[in-house]
Amino acid sequence: RKEVEQDPGPFNVPEGATVAFNCTYSNSASQSFFWYRQDCRKEPKLLMSVYSSGNEDGRFTAQLNRASQYISLLIRDSKLSDSATYLCADYCGSGTYKYIFGTGTRLKVLA
Amino acid sequence: EAGVAQSPRYKIIEKRQSVAFWCNPISGHATLYWYQQILGQGPKLLIQFQNNGVVDDSQLPKDRFSAERLKGVDSTLKIQPAKLEDSAVYLCASRYDSLVYEQYFGPGTRLTVT
Repeated sequence: RKEVEQDPGPFNVPEGATVAFNCTYSNSASQSFFWYRQDCRKEPKLLMSVYSSGNEDGRFTAQLNRASQYISLLIRDSKLSDSATYLCADYCGSGTYKYIFGTGTRLKVLA
Repeated sequence: EAGVAQSPRYKIIEKRQSVAFWCNPISGHATLYWYQQILGQGPKLLIQFQNNGVVDDSQLPKDRFSAERLKGVDSTLKIQPAKLEDSAVYLCASRYDSLVYEQYFGPGTRLTVT
């Protein structure tokens, strides 16, 4: 099993729709997770951090489900500009901590 | 505040040649990372520095890759000799310190090995 797994998509949704992605992780001791947004041929940019039960920032909500070992990202009222790849990262380790990234989920918001 | 700087932005080399990438982190950031991102995959950590010391290089192919961070500021990553499978984007990221989890990425260097 991969340390961090994501559905690669693409998720094609109409403008204004609500869309959610999940990201599963294998390390049950992990405490900190991150969602990054990556536009085509650009660097990842931090979108949200998820340390405990969840986090909300405008149209974006991130949730952590420890029992099932996954984090989710919910985007409400999708905009065309939300089209990108969304990477999740698990900040974990024993001794030395590092970020383990998933492969990313591609979102296309359609007009 | 200036972001993470990287150069060059693009590089095309032939296999068996050598190449070097440069990174200047955000001012005051103690932790510096080099990642390799192959098309369609997430970034994979190659090496992590804390100031000028190596914290983790377990995934660095040391027979061909090397990295240094002299004086605890900017860093270079070198590949010698390059292989076709090294074609990827090499991302540098920095973080303020071990108590602040957020890391910030530079624009990356896109390497094509022919």
